[in-house]
Amino acid sequence: DQQVKQNSPSLSVQEGRISILNCDYTNSMFDYFLWYKKYPAEGPTFLISISSIKDKNEDGRFTVFLNKSAKHLSLHIVPSQPGDSAVYYCAADRGSTLGRLYFGRGTQLTVWP
Amino acid sequence: ETGVTQSPTHLIKTRGQQVTLRCSSQSGHNTVSWYQQALGQGPQFIFQYYREEENGRGNFPPRFSGLQFPNYSSELNVNALELDDSALYLCASSLGPSGGTGVEKLFFGSGTQLSVL
Repeated sequence: DQQVKQNSPSLSVQEGRISILNCDYTNSMFDYFLWYKKYPAEGPTFLISISSIKDKNEDGRFTVFLNKSAKHLSLHIVPSQPGDSAVYYCAADRGSTLGRLYFGRGTQLTVWP
Repeated sequence: ETGVTQSPTHLIKTRGQQVTLRCSSQSGHNTVSWYQQALGQGPQFIFQYYREEENGRGNFPPRFSGLQFPNYSSELNVNALELDDSALYLCASSLGPSGGTGVEKLFFGSGTQLSVL
């Protein structure tokens, strides 16, 4: 039962353009959402998060948007850089579950020069 | 400040065997969570240890068990290995059994790649 879904396994974007990665969830109990980035042979590293009481959170080139009514969130990267090439995982948390994260299957982002 | 370290990095076992994976948490972190990542899937929560006790468990059978030691390092043990146990096993440490706004402080190791033949 996949409660967090990333329906695009891959995305290819030219350097300098915007990358938009999408994520859908089914559990209305989720109250916190995160994006993790993973390079080969490394563990996931935290990128950005958003609480369910907000609809937008920005950190430098990265912005996450949350649409609760649609149970949808997206990560925008502007401008995209070749170093952003990695697998991006969307994850969700229910505050009461003591740090148990529900992950999507990931989207492989490739940024080409 | 040392990060989360896992050992071994790769392991090959045969079906029915038992395996122990190890994790050293980041300095100052007292909570360890374990995740299983099968090929093409996202990480899936196995369980969490806080102050040497299991503190939350995902949908995994009892043959998946763990330990946490006084220095907060942890072990994941899997008995009676099955072919479907082949996966990357990730350990993550945190300062406290984080939830809500604390979960971003989850630091992952590079994982142990387990192959069951």
